[in-house]
Amino acid sequence: EPEVTQTPSHQVTQMGQEVILRCVPISNHLYFYWYRQILGQKVEFLVSFYNNEISEKSEIFDDQFSVERPDGSNFTLKIRSTKLEDSAMYFCASIDGLSYEQYFGPGTRLTVT
Amino acid sequence: GENVEQHPSTLSVQEGDSAVIKCTYSDSASNYFPWYKQELGKGPQLIIDIRSNVGEKKDQRIAVTLNKTAKHFSLHITETQPEDSAVYFCAASINRDDKIIFGKGTRLHILP
Repeated sequence: EPEVTQTPSHQVTQMGQEVILRCVPISNHLYFYWYRQILGQKVEFLVSFYNNEISEKSEIFDDQFSVERPDGSNFTLKIRSTKLEDSAMYFCASIDGLSYEQYFGPGTRLTVT
Repeated sequence: GENVEQHPSTLSVQEGDSAVIKCTYSDSASNYFPWYKQELGKGPQLIIDIRSNVGEKKDQRIAVTLNKTAKHFSLHITETQPEDSAVYFCAASINRDDKIIFGKGTRLHILP
């Protein structure tokens, strides 16, 4: 069964550093999302991306965040200058646009020290 | 915007008994209600979903009900098994390509 993959599984970085989280959505999917989950809390929407542009973003997704689909397969989330409160699990998701089901990747655990 | 409330936050059930998790939503425009199961160290996995034109849906031991008037929806797991132990999230969405708004999750423990 096709699946969303994410790398790395765990990223440790120092406050103020830039990080790039990578996702490979399912190949025929058209809509892409990033969510985050702070430890023990709910999964929160960050941003949606369609047709090479942001469709919607939450108030969490400030100008420190950016997304990109640099080629036909990868979908990346960049945090320009990480803060301690950016520590969380980050999930990528994608859908084909025909069904409602969003497929989630296994997540990247980001730890900012 | 949409707000999804979920309870209980923790639920312990004897193996073989039933478990019920309840959610409410605030935005009457929401018309898609998925339920996700999250196991330790993994991403949310869709286990069942329901659209607003349906009041109930069942898949083997799992069933969901939706009351649009009251903006309530529930997950029912019957004949619980140890592998049902996980965190379960209810969620709501307006359109098929729209963001998903999650509840806070229910940690389900199946007791031997």
